[in-house]
Amino acid sequence: QKEVEQNSGPLSVPEGAIASLNCTYSDRGSQSFFWYRQYSGKSPELIMSIYSNGDKEDGRFTAQLNKASQYVSLLIRDSQPSDSATYLCAVNIGTGGGNKLTFGTGTQLKVEL
Amino acid sequence: GAGVSQTPSNKVTEKGKYVELRCDPISGHTALYWYRQSLGQGPEFLIYFQGTGAADDSGLPNDRFFAVRPEGSVSTLKIQRTERGDSAVYLCASSLMGNEQFFGPGTRLTVL
Repeated sequence: QKEVEQNSGPLSVPEGAIASLNCTYSDRGSQSFFWYRQYSGKSPELIMSIYSNGDKEDGRFTAQLNKASQYVSLLIRDSQPSDSATYLCAVNIGTGGGNKLTFGTGTQLKVEL
Repeated sequence: GAGVSQTPSNKVTEKGKYVELRCDPISGHTALYWYRQSLGQGPEFLIYFQGTGAADDSGLPNDRFFAVRPEGSVSTLKIQRTERGDSAVYLCASSLMGNEQFFGPGTRLTVL
C-alpha cells in the first residue's frame, strides 16, 4: 500500500461545477496535510494546508480532513478553466517523521468550457 | 517578496559527469528541503536542512548524492558520476519553522 494515494484521473468537470479531489494516507499518526497545484512544466504551488479534523475554507477552495478515516479532500467551487492542473496531496507522515512531505502521484483536473 | 530561486533552470550533462544544483530559499526561512520529481510522479523527498545541518538525509538514493548548506541559507545539491536514471526535475523548498513548504521553480537535469 502506498503511503499517500490519489486517483490519477483525469477528472473532468464542466466550468462552474464543483470539483472534488480525494486522497488517502496510510499512517494514522500523521498530523499535517497539504494540497499543491501544479501546472504542466511548473513547480508545485501550495494552495491549502489543514491540520485539524473538519473543513477549512479559503476562497473557492475547501479542504476536508477526516483522521479517523485517514482521508483528506479538496473541493473547488465554481471551477474555472484556469483550475485545470494536477493537484498533489502531501502528508507529513507519522508523528516522528520530521518535516519531510510524502506526496501522492497527483490527480489531473480538467475544467471544460 | 522574493520566492525560492534555483539555478540553473536546466542542466544537460553527460553520464559520469559531476553536477551542482543551487537553491536560494525565501529570506528568513530556516528549513530547506530538496525533492526530485520524475514525469507523472509526485515529488520525492531527498534531504532536509534545519539551519546548517542536515536533519534528515534518508531520501538520498546513494552516496553519489550530497548536499550542503554551510551558512544556513543557500544550499547546493551535488551529484557525482551522474547516471541516466538521475534525470529528473530537482525541486527545492523552504519553510519557516518547518510547516508550510514553498517550492522554487526547479532544475531540470538531463543526463545523456
